Amino acid sequence: NAGVTQTPKFQVLKTGQSMTLQCAQDMNHNSMYWYRQDPGMGLRLIYYSASEGTTDKGEVPNGYNVSRLNKREFSLRLESAAPSQTSVYFCASSNGQTQETQYFGPGTRLLVL
Amino acid sequence: AQSVTQLGSHVSVSEGALVLLRCNYSSSVPPYLFWYVQYPNQGLQLLLKYTTGATLVKGINGFEAEFKKSETSFHLTKPSAHMSDAAEYFCAVTAMNTGNQFYFGTGTSLTVIP
Repeated sequence: NAGVTQTPKFQVLKTGQSMTLQCAQDMNHNSMYWYRQDPGMGLRLIYYSASEGTTDKGEVPNGYNVSRLNKREFSLRLESAAPSQTSVYFCASSNGQTQETQYFGPGTRLLVL
Repeated sequence: AQSVTQLGSHVSVSEGALVLLRCNYSSSVPPYLFWYVQYPNQGLQLLLKYTTGATLVKGINGFEAEFKKSETSFHLTKPSAHMSDAAEYFCAVTAMNTGNQFYFGTGTSLTVIP
């Protein structure tokens, strides 16, 4: 099993450009999450999907949209990138029960110039 | 609402010395607590977790943590540091009223001095 995979690994954008970060999991998990990691701020939740067909805002949703394409895939879209969105983005998944472990992908490093 | 405070953004220990990374949480309902480790340029990996039952939890690589409700703490310890323990460590909390959301601390970077 690959676990949680993310593409791309690294991306450079110019301000105003758009892009989609892809995430897929092969653990048959119900819930999926997108976080951003910034120095000194830990991980902050952008959006999550408790189950296929549902999405909810997290702590920092502004400037992002998500799509839960099917049970396996959960994408994050930046419609008009800003330098403040320079960050490392992590996707995670869990089976959906509150106490269950979240499993993380390797991350996408995004630089917005 | 839930929150986590990790005291000390950087901790240095000598190889073979005790590792102690501090985590205090805030939760209005019984918490579920987690420690994750992040090696350079990698994602987060679970070290250990507390949900219910025994308050002393053992994890991978010789780490353990004790849930102390009276102190609202979940500190991470390892008796003897190894060079391979150098990494970033994150404490996280969730609970039944969070809608599956985890709340992470700001992380502690552990340096092991040979």
